[in-house]
Amino acid sequence: GENVEQHPSTLSVQEGDSAVIKCTYSDSASNYFPWYKQELGKRPQLIIDIRSNVGEKKDQRIAVTLNKTAKHFSLHITETQPEDSAVYFCAASFSPLGYALNFGKGTSLLVTP
Amino acid sequence: GAGVSQSPSNKVTEKGKDVELRCDPISGHTALYWYRQSLGQGLEFLIYFQGNSAPDKSGLPSDRFSAERTGGSVSTLTIQRTQQEDSAVYLCASSLVGDNEQYFGPGTRLTVT
Repeated sequence: GENVEQHPSTLSVQEGDSAVIKCTYSDSASNYFPWYKQELGKRPQLIIDIRSNVGEKKDQRIAVTLNKTAKHFSLHITETQPEDSAVYFCAASFSPLGYALNFGKGTSLLVTP
Repeated sequence: GAGVSQSPSNKVTEKGKDVELRCDPISGHTALYWYRQSLGQGLEFLIYFQGNSAPDKSGLPSDRFSAERTGGSVSTLTIQRTQQEDSAVYLCASSLVGDNEQYFGPGTRLTVT
């Protein structure tokens, strides 16, 4: 599959601050962009996703933006809380049916009280 | 309802031995995926099954890796002649047809000594 680049690899913020994680992808056919949260020793869980016909999506403190022209998408977490601490993965679909995913290498987010 | 389950949860094997990893998807999910997650890394796509269609094997790293899905439900990932670099957590996920959200299992941690 094509590459998905994710930055930063680690991010430390104070409780209440915002956190932003950015990803770029190379496959122009990608049409589905999910974000997963993985706590230590646990399975990845979907927190938000966006499809190619939408530029922005918001769910409470979490938002995702997509720029298809530039092939990048970002995760924004506002009013961060210690329980937001985890590894976050972005992904982009790549199979012809748009189901299989290429994942970024992850961002380890630490929210300090 | 029951989520995706995987067995065994942990597997330690000697280099050169064959191993089989099992995945039980969510009932009614016709799409099934295998990923591999090495320590501190993102998820690497291995193979994708969709209904009765031919699987997308483009992510399998070598011909020592194979997978099958019987009856459109349970899947088995087989690694022959295991090598130390095969050590990783093997994650299975499933999704509904036409619904991209993938639900992950707890993973099988494979250690090759």
